[in-house]
Amino acid sequence: QVQLVQSGAEVKKPGASVKVSCQASGYTFTTFDINWVRQATGQGLEWVGRMNPNNANTGYAQKFQGRVTMTSNTSINTAYMELSSLRYEDTAVYYCTRGNRPASSYSWLDPWGQGTLVTVSS
Amino acid sequence: EIVLTQSPATLSLSPGERATLSCRASQSVSSYLAWYQQKPGQAPRLLIYDASNRATGIPARFSGSGSGTDFTLTISSLQPEDVAVYYCHQYYITPLTFGGGTKVEIK
Repeated sequence: QVQLVQSGAEVKKPGASVKVSCQASGYTFTTFDINWVRQATGQGLEWVGRMNPNNANTGYAQKFQGRVTMTSNTSINTAYMELSSLRYEDTAVYYCTRGNRPASSYSWLDPWGQGTLVTVSS
Repeated sequence: EIVLTQSPATLSLSPGERATLSCRASQSVSSYLAWYQQKPGQAPRLLIYDASNRATGIPARFSGSGSGTDFTLTISSLQPEDVAVYYCHQYYITPLTFGGGTKVEIK
C-alpha cells in the first residue's frame, strides 16, 4: 500500500535549521508531487509548498519563500523539507503528503505521513 | 489567496442524526475541493475529492456536493467514530489553502 514515513521529532533553537525526511513506498516515487503541510498545536492546516521528484521543480507558499528548501533523493524514494532561521512560531507538526494527479497541479492530498513535531525552544 | 470559510465551527448532534458541514470559497475553485477528517493525534484522512468523489474505503454515509464557491459535506447518519475535526481544502490555485475546520461532537 502507498505509505509515507517521516523522520522523528526535533528540538531546535531559534535561528537554527531543521531538515525533515519523508520516505515513500508502494508507488513510483517520481510520478507524484510531494507536498508539505504544517499544523501548530490546536490550530488548522497550513500549506508550506510542494516539489516534483521527477524534475525537482518546487513551489513554495510566499510566507516561507527564502526560508524553505524542498529536495528529494530518488534513489531512496525520500523527500526532504528544510526550514531555516527558525522562530518560536514555527513550532508545529509538519506533514508530508502526496499529490494524486500525475503531472497536474489540480491534485488532492493523499496519503499523509504520520507527522514530525518540530519544537523551537531556547 | 483563496480563503475557505467553514461553518459551523462546532456541530453537536445525537447518534443517527444528519450532519451538514459547509465550506465557502472567496472565489471559484471549480470542483477542485477535498474534505479531510482529523482525529486527535492523527494525520488528516481524505474523505472526498473533486467535491463529490468518495475516497477508497470511506463509508457511504459520507457524501460531498457543490461547485464554484459553495460546498457541503454530509454525514447521513452520525456514528460515534465520526467525532473529529473536518477540513475542506482547495487545490485549484496556489497557495493551496484549507478551511478553519468544523468540530463534530456527539451529544
